[in-house]
Amino acid sequence: SQQGEEDPQALSIQEGENATMNCSYKTSINNLQWYRQNSGRGLVHLILIRSNEREKHSGRLRVTLDTSKKSSSLLITASRAADTASYFCATDRGANNLFFGTGTRLTVIP
Amino acid sequence: GAGVSQSPSNKVTEKGKDVELRCDPISGHTALYWYRQSLGQGLEFLIYFQGNSAPDKSGLPSDRFSAERTGGSVSTLTIQRTQQEDSAVYLCASSDSLNEQFFGPGTRLTVL
Repeated sequence: SQQGEEDPQALSIQEGENATMNCSYKTSINNLQWYRQNSGRGLVHLILIRSNEREKHSGRLRVTLDTSKKSSSLLITASRAADTASYFCATDRGANNLFFGTGTRLTVIP
Repeated sequence: GAGVSQSPSNKVTEKGKDVELRCDPISGHTALYWYRQSLGQGLEFLIYFQGNSAPDKSGLPSDRFSAERTGGSVSTLTIQRTQQEDSAVYLCASSDSLNEQFFGPGTRLTVL
């Protein structure tokens, strides 16, 4: 399978704590993207990191990419109840075809 | 402007019937994608349209699945002779670049 694999599959934390989700993939990529999906809704693009980048920040989000290990992590700092959602990593091998992982279900407890 | 829209939002059908799912991409986006999300699984790429080029159909699971994109805008995903394993959420996305894809809310298909 070309899909990414996220872990953990589910994560439950207290509001204010940091949440870290990991993604591993199998093939060379052009970029890796993280998406968020609230229950019953479509996916929302969070952040894109290119294969020649190692770290990227956007607000409370921090993404790292290690192409030698074919892995990425998404860190959400100072989590809020509204961050409760499923988070997916997606790898782009070129031609903008994204291959998605199975997602991490994050629950932030108020 | 408006985002990607899909219709219907929910579709219940009987095994063996044909279904059509519609996607209206963001105006001006040249690329359009269809994905499938089965319960408990990740998103599965189905098909990709880019401008006037021949579509990339490499993700379609069987010949019962087909898609069209008329006039470079609206797309229809057709599933013939539906099976219970076709039950899933079908997501459409559009893009104007090699980066971010904008997703619609999806169509939840249930095959009884």
